[in-house]
Amino acid sequence: NAGVTQTPKFRVLKTGQSMTLLCAQDMNHEYMYWYRQDPGMGLRLIHYSVGEGTTAKGEVPDGYNVSRLKKQNFLLGLESAAPSQTSVYFCASSAGGVNNEQFFGPGTRLTVL
Amino acid sequence: DQQVKQNSPSLSVQEGRISILNCDYTNSMFDYFLWYKKYPAEGPTFLISISSIKDKNEDGRFTVFLNKSAKHLSLHIVPSQPGDSAVYFCAAISNFGNEKLTFGTGTRLTIIP
Repeated sequence: NAGVTQTPKFRVLKTGQSMTLLCAQDMNHEYMYWYRQDPGMGLRLIHYSVGEGTTAKGEVPDGYNVSRLKKQNFLLGLESAAPSQTSVYFCASSAGGVNNEQFFGPGTRLTVL
Repeated sequence: DQQVKQNSPSLSVQEGRISILNCDYTNSMFDYFLWYKKYPAEGPTFLISISSIKDKNEDGRFTVFLNKSAKHLSLHIVPSQPGDSAVYFCAAISNFGNEKLTFGTGTRLTIIP
């Protein structure tokens, strides 16, 4: 089992460019999440999904869009990148339940110039 | 408004001694708490959790204590080992909307050999 994988690992964008980050999980989890990690800010939830075809906003959704067309994949899109979106992005998945243990991918380091 | 707070950004502990990481929360609806550990260039991994109906949970060298009246939890690592050097995140789940975790800002633990 690969667990949770993220593509790409690194990316540099210019302001105004667009890109899509791909997350894939092979654990048949219903729930999937996108977080960003910034120094001194911890992990902040961008968007999440509780099942195929569903998405919901998290704490910091502005400037991002997501899609969950297949259960195993969760895509995060930046339509017009801004320097404030320079961050490390983590995808996670979980089976839900009381403790909702989430399994994280290795992260994508994005720099917006 | 930071609902989960880790007030110590960093902590250094001698190898073999006890490491104590602290976490405070403000939302009285939180009823499940988790600790995650993160190494550089990797995603966070689940470490240990505790339900609000308990005040202590132990797993090997790791023990989490919960003081509901003070809205405070702590992670004890004893004895501390060099491999414990990492960033530790505290996270909480609400009994309403348990599909989301709220993370603290993290504490960087350094174990000194």
